[in-house]
Amino acid sequence: EIQLQESGPGLVKPSQSLSLTCSVTGYTITSGYDWSWIRKFPGNKMEWMGYISYSGSTNYNPSLKSRISITRDTSKNQFFLQLNSVTTEDTATYYCARFDTMDWYFDFWGPGTMVTVSS
Amino acid sequence: DIQMTQTPSSMPASLGERVTISCRASQGISNYLNWYQQKPDGTIKPLIYYTSNLQSGVPSRFSGSGSGTDYSLTISSLEPEDFAMYYCQQYDSSPWTFGGGTKLELK
Repeated sequence: EIQLQESGPGLVKPSQSLSLTCSVTGYTITSGYDWSWIRKFPGNKMEWMGYISYSGSTNYNPSLKSRISITRDTSKNQFFLQLNSVTTEDTATYYCARFDTMDWYFDFWGPGTMVTVSS
Repeated sequence: DIQMTQTPSSMPASLGERVTISCRASQGISNYLNWYQQKPDGTIKPLIYYTSNLQSGVPSRFSGSGSGTDYSLTISSLEPEDFAMYYCQQYDSSPWTFGGGTKLELK
């Protein structure tokens, strides 16, 4: 069974960087698919942030393009989110998810991790 | 970006009731539309992909339909575990975008 698990600080100060890890078990991230970060804001809006593909290429939501970086550590089967210059508007629950590139949907999700941006 | 408008934003309903949630895209999305369920504990799972294809393991009381800009998710007879948030998501063009969500509540 494929499982994804987010981890990282639950509190980040404004203007700092938010860094999260997604640990994947049951599937090797270099074998296929795209590996995404998605966030859900208070008030229920959801936003796809970007992905890193199995080959290492990336694609970001233009709304975040200047602040976001998604990287990976293939030896640990993990991928990472870095979001720079955060503000209180980045307070959200962050999810990592696998995007099935054959049927084109997010087929496996992590449980989510809440990140609050506050001084 | 393609805007996805979901209606209603909340829906009180009773056990056994048939409910339909609507999702409208700001432009045609060629059936490239998925549905997800978020439980109160925050976990998210896929329900339907490519408008009407049921994800493995999802009960047959869930169904999806639509075309062009208008899509819908129907639950034929509500079970207790169906009271949750539901989201549509388009993948016609990047960035993928989600609807604003529909909260299905027990009446």
